[in-house]
This record gives sequence, structure tokens and C-alpha cells, in this order.
Amino acid sequence: IQLTQSPSFLSASVGGRVTMTCRASQDVTSYLAWYQQKPGRAPNLLIYTASTLQSGVPSRFSGSGSGTEFTLTISSLQPDDFATYYCQQVNNYPFTFGPGTKVDIK
Amino acid sequence: QLQLQESGPGLVKLSETLSLTCTVSGGSITTSNYYWGWIRQAPGKGLEWIGYIYHSGSTNYNPSLKSRVTISVDTSKNQFSLKLNSVTAADTAVHYCALYDVDFDAFTIWGQGRMVTVSS
Repeated sequence: IQLTQSPSFLSASVGGRVTMTCRASQDVTSYLAWYQQKPGRAPNLLIYTASTLQSGVPSRFSGSGSGTEFTLTISSLQPDDFATYYCQQVNNYPFTFGPGTKVDIK
Repeated sequence: QLQLQESGPGLVKLSETLSLTCTVSGGSITTSNYYWGWIRQAPGKGLEWIGYIYHSGSTNYNPSLKSRVTISVDTSKNQFSLKLNSVTAADTAVHYCALYDVDFDAFTIWGQGRMVTVSS
């Protein structure tokens, strides 16, 4: 299953609302996760099963969608949120990741 | 709190075998519903799932690497390992070990990563 993410890059201001999309080439039901990765660091799980917030992740992050289209929203962008965000499907083998959306400071 | 730590050579010669070990601390590798996986990331690129293993020894591999990959587990040492043979420059990457928790359907805990460079 191929995942595409859009946009591949976005520039946003602190306090702004950010939405990014992940699209799957076939139905992955709700078996989709979102990770945040900062340079030189391992990815960190934000959202699992499309919309469940991982423990310890700020509530400004939210996920939605099912089937083939998913979104990750950051309601009020904070300085710590500038990073690359990856989606991953775990509905079918092989597990696959999207190419990422890089969020930069405007 | 459960932690993962990769170890192994950072430099591997062309056509030889890449070998990495992941040590699990703060928890047992035999915990039910935990799968132990490897994910890699080439420089400046995205993430690629290599495969994972259950403590019973059951494995699942990415077909793109399946002919060259072996993941094994040593429950007595609380470790699992990755071997990738016949490496090429395309195998140069940061290799992460990570815990796949079935209750979350996601990789919930990651090691810090080990950079492995394939040299000629």
C-alpha cells in the first residue's frame, strides 16, 4: 500500500493552525499512525488508529479519517512542533510510511 | 520504563553482512502482544519498515528486503538482532529498533538509532 502526504513542505507561524493529509492507495480502515521526527532524533508516536492521541502528546494534535484519507491537525502551532511528520499504515504487510510533511517556521 | 538501544558496527564493507543488536531494558522481550521491529532511514530520506519478530521467533519481513534479511531474538539476553547480507551503498542508513505494540497498532517506543555506512 502506497501512502502519499501533502503538502511535502509547509511554512507556518507560531499559533497558526496546520493541517496535513495522508492518502492511501487502498483502504487501510483505521490502521494509520502519525509520527513526529525532529532532525537527528527517532520518530515519536503522536496518533494511533487514525484518531487516538498517544499518552503525553499535547491535545493540540488531532487526527481524523478512515479508509484512504487521513488528516493530522495541529490547532495552535508551537515552536516545539517544527519537525517532519510521517503517516504509517499497519493494515497490510508490508507496513509502509508516507514520504513525510516538513513543517517549518514562517 | 521500557527502553531500546541499538548496537553494532557503524561501518560495513560492500557485499558483506550488516549486523545490529537491540537491547531491551525496563521490560521483558517476552511480553505478550509486543513485536520487536527494525526500521531504517537513508540519509535525507523517509522511513522504511524492515520487519519484526515476536518472542516466539515468528517473523514478518518487508518483501523488498526479505531475501537478504534475518531478524532473530534471544530471550535470555532480552535482545533481538538484525542481519542484512550482501549490502550495497543503498543500505547506508540510520537503523532504528522499535517496539510494535498490538494494543496500539503502532510503534510506540524507538531506540535512538544506529547509523550504518556501507563502504567500498
